[in-house]
Amino acid sequence: QKEVEQDPGPLSVPEGAIVSLNCTYSNSAFQYFMWYRQYSRKGPELLMYTYSSGNKEDGRFTAQVDKSSKYISLFIRDSQPSDSATYLCAIRGGSNYKLTFGKGTLLTVNP
Amino acid sequence: DAGVTQSPTHLIKTRGQQVTLRCSPISGHKSVSWYQQVLGQGPQFIFQYYEKEERGRGNFPDRFSARQFPNYSSELNVNALLLGDSALYLCASSLAGTGGVSNQPQHFGDGTRLSIL
Repeated sequence: QKEVEQDPGPLSVPEGAIVSLNCTYSNSAFQYFMWYRQYSRKGPELLMYTYSSGNKEDGRFTAQVDKSSKYISLFIRDSQPSDSATYLCAIRGGSNYKLTFGKGTLLTVNP
Repeated sequence: DAGVTQSPTHLIKTRGQQVTLRCSPISGHKSVSWYQQVLGQGPQFIFQYYEKEERGRGNFPDRFSARQFPNYSSELNVNALLLGDSALYLCASSLAGTGGVSNQPQHFGDGTRLSIL
């Protein structure tokens, strides 16, 4: 079993839709949970960062962590064509800086 | 403020050659990590450096090495290049607490795209 599983998609939605992106993980020692957005030919850009179960909201983005189920989600409200990118979940433990990434989900928002 | 900067942006090498990639972290960030991203995959951890010392190493062969300088910039070296080394090499920096670990997130540069012919 991979440490982090993420559905690679691709996912195509109309402008204005609510988008749900998900990852599952296997190691209960993971403590920090991140979502990165990566545009083509660019590096990952940090979107959301949390280290507790529950919801964290930032503008149109909401990150959700359920440690009991080892499940994390990113919701995008009122999606825009500029949101079209690959979304990567990343997780790390508490004792080192190694990030373990999912494969990424390619999202296209159609105008 | 400048983000993480990497050079060069693109590099073409042939099998067997050696390559050096460079990274300048965000000002004030003392921890630098390197990742390899193959097309269609998430980044894979290679190294973490803090205060010029290696603090973590991923599952990569000894052909991969790195170092960190007193100004916290870093270089990644890859010897005896193979076709499979073709990838986007990403550098990330973060604020670090005592021992090189803290609860601060990592911020990435735009990477060096390495192509092996």
